[in-house]
Amino acid sequence: DAKTTQPTSMDCAEGRAANLPCNHSTISGNEYVYWYRQIHSQGPQYIIHGLKNNETNEMASLIITEDRKSSTLILPHATLRDTAVYYCIVRVYNQGGKLIFGQGTELSVKP
Amino acid sequence: ETGVTQTPRHLVMGMTNKKSLKCEQHLGHNAMYWYKQSAKKPLELMFVYSLEERVENNSVPSRFSPECPNSSHLFLHLHTLQPEDSALYLCASSQDVRPQTSTDTQYFGPGTRLTVL
Repeated sequence: DAKTTQPTSMDCAEGRAANLPCNHSTISGNEYVYWYRQIHSQGPQYIIHGLKNNETNEMASLIITEDRKSSTLILPHATLRDTAVYYCIVRVYNQGGKLIFGQGTELSVKP
Repeated sequence: ETGVTQTPRHLVMGMTNKKSLKCEQHLGHNAMYWYKQSAKKPLELMFVYSLEERVENNSVPSRFSPECPNSSHLFLHLHTLQPEDSALYLCASSQDVRPQTSTDTQYFGPGTRLTVL
């Protein structure tokens, strides 16, 4: 699985959009980008995933650059409950096995 | 609510105790996982089960003993643990160990916070 790079921490004002970047410059053609988040002392929560097209669901939007070397997770209207560590994971989904979680980005949403 | 439950949520035990962690998934999945998350460290995969058969054991000490009686339940039996085993223990499930679609990813329980005195 390709390596990902994320900023260690970010702040966001409540009600504003939170844009979390992820660099995956060595991604291969069959690797998907997955995002999870982990609220303090809870289990990781799946957010969204994509291959090359932009994706949106009830939680967030995922924007993947045309060259697929980076992506951005967008929380359109961040709330205090979105304060968490956000993990960007790149993997070939049908190889199974473990999810490799890095250090992630610690997002703090402030009033 | 992810459809994966874990009990207990918190556990304090001495080094000579024997205890068990329980995980149950209500998603009809065939694969279940145990992860360990120590303070300020990434998740570490411990065990993987597929249809009640252990398919992966990542060099975990024998004081941790998993059990998967059926595809919905997973246990982690603990005995003679050390203080450095204190961590958040997370259970996860997925439809299959080798997913057939990209939407088949892992769903996690809330975890058990274990403290070994």
